Amino acid sequence: NAGVTQTPKFQVLKTGQSMTLQCAQDMNHEYMSWYRQDPGMGLRLIHYSVGAGITDQGEVPNGYNVSRSTTEDFPLRLLSAAPSQTSVYFCASSLTSGGARNEQFFGPGTRLTVL
Amino acid sequence: AQSVTQLGSHVSVSEGALVLLRCNYSSSVPPYLFWYVQYPNQGLQLLLKYTTGATLVKGINGFEAEFKKSETSFHLTKPSAHMSDAAEYFCAVTSYSGGGADGLTFGKGTHLIIQP
Repeated sequence: NAGVTQTPKFQVLKTGQSMTLQCAQDMNHEYMSWYRQDPGMGLRLIHYSVGAGITDQGEVPNGYNVSRSTTEDFPLRLLSAAPSQTSVYFCASSLTSGGARNEQFFGPGTRLTVL
Repeated sequence: AQSVTQLGSHVSVSEGALVLLRCNYSSSVPPYLFWYVQYPNQGLQLLLKYTTGATLVKGINGFEAEFKKSETSFHLTKPSAHMSDAAEYFCAVTSYSGGGADGLTFGKGTHLIIQP
């Protein structure tokens, strides 16, 4: 199993540009999520999905869109990039969203810089 | 709402000394608690987790943590630090919204420095 994969690893955008961060998992996990990591802030939940066709907002959803058309993929879209979105983005998945199996597996991250 | 507080953004210990990383949580429901480790430029890796049952949880790389409900704590320990333990450590608790569990709430992290 490849686990959770993310592309690209690095990206530089100009303010106002849009882009999609890709995330895929091959573990048949129901739950997938996106976090952003900023220095001194820990990880904060952006959006999550409990299954194909179902998404919901996390703690910091503004400026981001998601969709979940398949179990495997959960792309994160930046609609109009802003410098405040400079961060490291992590995708994670788990077998279910709650309960004793809520161990989340993390991808390697995408480091995004918005100029 | 759930929250996690990690005391000390940086902790420095000598190689061979005890490692103690502190985590306190708040949760309105019985918590599921996790410790993750992040090595430089990598994703997060699960060290250990508490769900139910035994309150002393053993994880990978010689780490363990004890769930103390009365103190709302889940401190991470290792008897003898190795240079390879230098990393960022995150404590997390399952978070819940009106619709149910929605993910993890993380602490801000503790950077562990190992002095030779």
